[in-house]
Amino acid sequence: EVQLVESGGGLVQPGSSLKLSCVASGFTFNKSNMHWIRQAPKKGLEWIGLIYYDGSFKYYTDSMKGRFTISRDNSENTLYLEMNSLRSEDTAVYYCAKQGPLYVMDAWGLGASVTVSS
Amino acid sequence: DVQMTQSPSYLAASPGESVSISCKASKSIGNNLAWYQEKPGMTNKLLIHSGSTLQSGTPSRFSGSRSGTDFTLTIRSLEFEDFALYYCQQFNEYPLTFGSGTKLEI
Repeated sequence: EVQLVESGGGLVQPGSSLKLSCVASGFTFNKSNMHWIRQAPKKGLEWIGLIYYDGSFKYYTDSMKGRFTISRDNSENTLYLEMNSLRSEDTAVYYCAKQGPLYVMDAWGLGASVTVSS
Repeated sequence: DVQMTQSPSYLAASPGESVSISCKASKSIGNNLAWYQEKPGMTNKLLIHSGSTLQSGTPSRFSGSRSGTDFTLTIRSLEFEDFALYYCQQFNEYPLTFGSGTKLEI
């Protein structure tokens, strides 16, 4: 069974940094592109970006370029999202997702909640 | 960026009825559209990709169609488990973008 488990969320102050993790199991992690998506309170889904299976390519939504960094450790079956200079508008649940054969997400985690507030 | 305009935001229906949810792309995306279901306490579920291809495990009462840049998710003979949030997503180009969601309520 495919499982994705996010962790590392919490309450942080504006301007601080946070690194989320997503541990994968049940599939061949090192052959799968992976995505991060977020959902602000009472809002819809917002795609953050993706990383190729081997880390050779990354793409970020413009609004998050430069502040957010996606990385992975295939030896640990773990995906990361490092977030810097956090703002109140980054308050959201952050999901990792596995990409299927097309650029769709065929498995999701339950998400990690991040609250940016003083 | 490709804007995905999803409607309606809310939809009320009864079990046994059929409903349709629309998603309009701001430009041509071919058939590169997916539909997802979101339910509290559960992971998001991919229902349909490529406009009309059912993901493995998706019940046959779900169907997707396309007319130009307009896409429709239809659910026939609603069951209690279908009352949820639904999102469309285009995967034709970066950045990937989602519709704003449709809450299907009893």
